[in-house]
Amino acid sequence: QKEVEQNSGPLSVPEGAIASLNCTYSDRVSQSFFWYRQYSGKSPELIMSIYSNGDKEDGRFTAQLNKASQYVSLLIRDSQPSDSATYLCAVTDSNAGNNRKLIWGLGTSLAVNP
Amino acid sequence: GAGVSQSPSNKVTEKGKDVELRCDPISGHTALYWYRQSLGQGLEFLIYFQGNSAPDKSGLPSDRFSAERTGGSVSTLTIQRTQQEDSAVYLCASSPTGSPLHFGNGTRLTVT
Repeated sequence: QKEVEQNSGPLSVPEGAIASLNCTYSDRVSQSFFWYRQYSGKSPELIMSIYSNGDKEDGRFTAQLNKASQYVSLLIRDSQPSDSATYLCAVTDSNAGNNRKLIWGLGTSLAVNP
Repeated sequence: GAGVSQSPSNKVTEKGKDVELRCDPISGHTALYWYRQSLGQGLEFLIYFQGNSAPDKSGLPSDRFSAERTGGSVSTLTIQRTQQEDSAVYLCASSPTGSPLHFGNGTRLTVT
């Protein structure tokens, strides 16, 4: 059974701090990795996608991928109260063909305190 | 442009009734997914459509669940003889092939 694991949290950080969210996955051949943000009562929305080892930065967000360690993380710099949400990690299922199916983590709840 | 549209946004039904949930994907997106999310739980894959290929139905929990996608666009998820455990938020997502998913706002289904 392929899995994506995340610490459920809640992760609590003060406003302005760096929030670090981590995700490990079991499918060694996964090619695509995604971070989604889900506000309470809302649908997931894409924050970052990353496909190769290393860092990818977009504004206050940085995704980090280490395929050898099967580890992907999301850093949020200068955290704001509006960043308070559940962050879902998703990776493609290599058995699904054409990377069409995602394996989802249960999410990490982030609370940014003013 | 317009995002993924789902209707109804909320549906309350009595146990044993059939329900239909509709998804209108982003124009041009060939892939369409249905997921289910129960309160405090992760996303549960239900079914996947890609162009004219046979759908991947591997996530449908029972034969009471079915879905179709007409003309490669609008999709309908049907749940027959609803049970209380079917209560959840049903999410539809679409994407161009191999690209990240774009989710609709979901249909919150409550079976009483």
